[in-house]
Amino acid sequence: RKEVEQDPGPFNVPEGATVAFNCTYSNSASQSFFWYRQDCRKEPKLLMSVYSSGNEDGRFTAQLNRASQYISLLIRDSKLSDSATYLCVVNRNNQGGKLIFGQGTELSVKP
Amino acid sequence: NAGVTQTPKFQVLKTGQSMTLQCAQDMNHNSMYWYRQDPGMGLRLIYYSASEGTTDKGEVPNGYNVSRLNKREFSLRLESAAPSQTSVYFCASSDTGDEKLFFGSGTQLSVL
Repeated sequence: RKEVEQDPGPFNVPEGATVAFNCTYSNSASQSFFWYRQDCRKEPKLLMSVYSSGNEDGRFTAQLNRASQYISLLIRDSKLSDSATYLCVVNRNNQGGKLIFGQGTELSVKP
Repeated sequence: NAGVTQTPKFQVLKTGQSMTLQCAQDMNHNSMYWYRQDPGMGLRLIYYSASEGTTDKGEVPNGYNVSRLNKREFSLRLESAAPSQTSVYFCASSDTGDEKLFFGSGTQLSVL
């Protein structure tokens, strides 16, 4: 079993739709959590950190459920420009060398 | 702003050839990393350097060596390339204690 697992998709949604991605992690000692975005043939970029109480950044909402060991990302009012792969990232012990990446969930937003 | 610069962007090697991937960052970051990305596997850490003068193995170090030449530069060397090393390679950097990674634009490597 992979340490960080995501549904690879693709998720195909119309503009304006709300879409949610889930990510599960197996190491209960994991300390911090992130979502990165990766456009096709580009490098990953940090989208947002995930805080225990949940956090929002515009149309994006991230939530963490430590008891069930999963993280979610909700995108409201999807735009064409949201089309990308979303990577769930877990840090085992708050050290930079211990970031574990999920394989990513592909999102395609259609007009 | 250059950020993290990787060279080359593309490379084709024959099995057994050697090459070095170069990476430099201009953000005065202490930590630097090399990842590989394969379809369905996510990014996997090859080596990292928490600070100048130190390097540590990541998840998939076999077949690779690294050099932290100075604070700016962190190179990845394949001594004898194998087809299993066909992948996209990303260099990244971060500030000490900061988990936000800044990535280079990647190197597409094919080993025939």
